[in-house]
Amino acid sequence: DGGITQSPKYLFRKEGQNVTLSCEQNLNHDAMYWYRQDPGQGLRLIYYSQIVNDFQKGDIAEGYSVSREKKESFPLTVTSAQKNPTAFYLCASSQNRAHEQYFGPGTRLTVT
Amino acid sequence: GIQVEQSPPDLILQEGANSTLRCNFSDSVNNLQWFHQNPWGQLINLFYIPSGTKQNGRLSATTVATERYSLLYISSSQTTDSGVYFCAVASSGSARQLTFGSGTQLTVLP
Repeated sequence: DGGITQSPKYLFRKEGQNVTLSCEQNLNHDAMYWYRQDPGQGLRLIYYSQIVNDFQKGDIAEGYSVSREKKESFPLTVTSAQKNPTAFYLCASSQNRAHEQYFGPGTRLTVT
Repeated sequence: GIQVEQSPPDLILQEGANSTLRCNFSDSVNNLQWFHQNPWGQLINLFYIPSGTKQNGRLSATTVATERYSLLYISSSQTTDSGVYFCAVASSGSARQLTFGSGTQLTVLP
């Protein structure tokens, strides 16, 4: 099946540890995105990538890092510098010339 | 950046009722999407509708780009329609960056 997968579904970490969230797509989409959602709010853009080996900061990039070594994969690292990392993280992708974005199922990260 | 406002923030309906959700935005757009977020957090694409009108079963949407608003209509609502409905837009100057509204929480009672 074509789609976007995120793993793990739930993730628990201790404060001060870096953690990497996985996002993979087999839709042959060029663009990929990471969003953060806090309870009762909409989504906010963390990073996006339009092509391999290129990415740009979104509205809330501080404390996060990404890589785009393969077209299919766009992992997100939540570093210890992120002050409030506990949130729901969603990955999305879209075709290069079309703008409709499709979302993965998300990862719920809890840092204590 | 572009501002997105959704109304109402909360809506409670009896099964079978109709509803209209509104999305206002502050700038010209070349991307507007409606999503339904289910109780497990999955965002489901409902419509890609930067302008015009579309229908899909009991759902339809209209975007009037010149007046900077979009409407999502839900007819004969069912309990499975419950969840949060988000409008997201990308302004004409930043086609790939979706800005989300804060959502409408819909509860359909049996």
